[in-house]
Order: sequence, then structure tokens, then C-alpha cells
Amino acid sequence: GAVVSQHPSRVICKSGTSVKIECRSLDFQATTMFWYRQFPKQSLMLMATSNEGSKATYEQGVEKDKFLINHASLTLSTLTVTSAHPEDSSFYICSARDSQRGTDTQYFGPGTRLTVL
Amino acid sequence: LAKTTQPISMDSYEGQEVNITCSHNNIATNDYITWYQQFPSQGPRFIIQGYKTKVTNEVASLFIPADRKSSTLSLPRVSLSDTAVYYCLVGDAPGDDKIIFGKGTRLHILP
Repeated sequence: GAVVSQHPSRVICKSGTSVKIECRSLDFQATTMFWYRQFPKQSLMLMATSNEGSKATYEQGVEKDKFLINHASLTLSTLTVTSAHPEDSSFYICSARDSQRGTDTQYFGPGTRLTVL
Repeated sequence: LAKTTQPISMDSYEGQEVNITCSHNNIATNDYITWYQQFPSQGPRFIIQGYKTKVTNEVASLFIPADRKSSTLSLPRVSLSDTAVYYCLVGDAPGDDKIIFGKGTRLHILP
């Protein structure tokens, strides 16, 4: 199946710093990518929809100035957590929609574990 | 977006067939039904997708009745490595702009 990668797989940072997470679709083009956050023992929570060439659409309650999303190309979207705080510690997962397939299935990256000290 | 309801958790034993049912009473005409599997600290993995009747692949089968208001994921002869959270999602049709995850079913396979 289609492959989506994320980098880094885990990151530890100090409070107040910014962290960038990359999401790449490796063997298909993705006009739309999604960013999710997952806390322990909970389901995935959609944060935003990233559209190539346009501004991201954020879900209610997600601060767009704190979670900056850039969808620079058809294979790359980045999520930057600005001025991270311990409460931002979570598992961040991206997905990419393969729009060339008939059913527009989403494929998920392996996730990035962010720990803010 | 259609809401889904699944059992919170299930236990089964190695070698048995496991069926997880998902209710989606408000499914739209163009909605597909997709199941994902997630292991701890990993992203969800696509298992199977269907629109109606039955779909089978090397991993699972998906049964969808005629009214499409529910679906059943069937895992044949499970092993310990099938212990995971299984999510039923409705939507994902061409043109859908996003998918909302429900709580999923935590499947625990016992030896």
C-alpha cells in the first residue's frame, strides 16, 4: 500500500522552543494531508486539514498560530509546534489522501512522539 | 459526517475468529466504510474498505448488510499480534474533506 513517513519519530525539547514535524507521501501525490494528535489511551483527534497551495483548515479549539502548518508540495506537509509547553506533549500523526485512487483512502504516518520538558 | 458506534473493548483467544461490529445509522449514499488497526505508538494501518455486501482481503473480511447501517469486521484465526485498537470509519468517499475518528474497539487476544 501507499507509504507515508514522518520525521522525526520522537523529539524531546525544552519548554518555549519550537518543533517542526515533517510528513511525506513517498509514492503518491497528496493534495490533502491531515494532522492528528493522540493522547494516551485516547482516540486520534483531528487538528487540521492541510491543502497544498492554500492555507490549512483548523478544527475548532486548535490554535492556528501555535500549530503552524505548511503544505509546500504535493508530497510534503509540515507541522510546527511553536513555543511548546508540557501540555503539548503528545503523539502527532499525519495522514495523506491518495486522491488518484478511486476511493480516496487515507494512509497514516508512523507518528511522532513529542515530549516537552 | 456519519457517526460510528463500536464496542469499547473485546477479548478473544488465539485461533478464534473475531467479529467486531460497527453501527453507522446515518451513513450517506456515497460513504465508504473503512477499518483501521492501530498498535501502541504507531499510526493507524489500513485494513479493509467496502461499500456494500462483502469484501475480503488477505487480512480480514468486511460484511455490510443491504441497509449499510452497520458493518462487521471479521478477523479469522487471530493471534496475539492482533491485539490492537480497531477503528471503524465512515466517509472517505472521493471529495470528503476529513475523517473523524471514534473511540475504536480495543481488542485483546489471550493465549
